[in-house]
Amino acid sequence: NAGVTQTPKFRILKIGQSMTLQCAQDMNHNYMYWYRQDPGMGLKLIYYSVGAGITDKGEVPNGYNVSRSTTEDFPLRLELAAPSQTSVYFCASTAIPVEEETQYFGPGTRLLVL
Amino acid sequence: LAKTTQPISMDSYEGQEVNITCSHNNIATNDYITWYQQFPSQGPRFIIQGYKTKVTNEVASLFIPADRKSSTLSLPRVSLSDTAVYYCLVGDSGAGSYQLTFGKGTKLSVIP
Repeated sequence: NAGVTQTPKFRILKIGQSMTLQCAQDMNHNYMYWYRQDPGMGLKLIYYSVGAGITDKGEVPNGYNVSRSTTEDFPLRLELAAPSQTSVYFCASTAIPVEEETQYFGPGTRLLVL
Repeated sequence: LAKTTQPISMDSYEGQEVNITCSHNNIATNDYITWYQQFPSQGPRFIIQGYKTKVTNEVASLFIPADRKSSTLSLPRVSLSDTAVYYCLVGDSGAGSYQLTFGKGTKLSVIP
């Protein structure tokens, strides 16, 4: 199993541009999450999904959108990039509710908005 | 969401046992306590999870007192490769909620 994969690894965006961060898992996990991590800080939850077709907002959803058309994929969309979205983005998945199971994290996508 | 408090940083010499304590005064009855480790430029990695008393695996031990308002991660005989940030998380088992809150974590520096 590849686990949780993320693409791209690094990206530079200009203000106002849009992009999609890709996340995929091959563990047949129902639950998937997107976090952002600013320098020296902990992770903040952006969006999560409890299954295909079901998504919900986390702590910091503004400026982002997600979709979950399949169990495997959970892309994160930035429509109008802003410097405040410069961060490292992590995708994670679990088989059952996160309270009772570990989260498996991807390697992260480093995004720089200039 | 149950909030956690842990030291910002700790230093330890190689070979010593390291104990990192996390307080979670408003932990809910059904909440689990989970610890993650994060190396620079990598995603967090699961270390250990527990509900009460003591849990031990090949990497660490987790001590949880009866009132569950705190927990202590114990790393036996640390090495330089254990230098990382350690996060204490408490699951929010509120109705319909599947969120975990990552604080700033504890930055452990292991000194040769």
